[in-house]
Amino acid sequence: DIQMTQSPSTLSASVGDRVAITCRASQTISDWLAWYQQKPGKAPKLLIYKVSSLESGVPSRFSGSGSGTEFTLTISSLQPDDFATYYCQQYKSYSRTFGQGTKLEIK
Amino acid sequence: QVQLVESGGDLVKPGGSLRLSCAASGFIFSDSYMTWIRQAPGKGLEWVSYISGSSDNTNYADSVKGRFTISRDNAKNSLYLQMNSLRAEDTAVYYCARMGTFDIWGQGTMVTVSS
Repeated sequence: DIQMTQSPSTLSASVGDRVAITCRASQTISDWLAWYQQKPGKAPKLLIYKVSSLESGVPSRFSGSGSGTEFTLTISSLQPDDFATYYCQQYKSYSRTFGQGTKLEIK
Repeated sequence: QVQLVESGGDLVKPGGSLRLSCAASGFIFSDSYMTWIRQAPGKGLEWVSYISGSSDNTNYADSVKGRFTISRDNAKNSLYLQMNSLRAEDTAVYYCARMGTFDIWGQGTMVTVSS
């Protein structure tokens, strides 16, 4: 299986900050990479697919980049609604795998 | 509207069985690969299983292979997960989602395996 590793596990930031979360794949996954946001007690929500394509309705302050094995989710200016847990996921192989998650906390 | 609604979660003893259901609406269910994902309390997301639109292609995570069976009924727009030989480590919220990217998720149903 393809392993996905996110860093950091926890990130403390303030409203208005620019933050970045990194995701590394154990083998190349081309551009088959998605990002999800999850809030407590809720189902995850798709933010970005194919590395950098924004899902409909997702604010443009979210962006994705990378290729091969290294990927980044960037939030350009944090809003109060953005404090949540973020997961990357590869969908190159049918055995979909997720990163372990990054919890974005208010500083 | 587009939605998935899971049901069937419960408290069950180790070694027991449970069948989860997921009702789909608002999209062409029979054209869609579907999947189950679970999340243990306080933990991350784990993909469990998927099934193709025609049911001719299925796959399972190693952690559930041989114990769980995914199926669907396109006439009823429904997805199922039959879970046998349940273990404490199967305790989780179980979500169904539309595959490709997981762009549509249900609200989840809680399965607790405990004596």
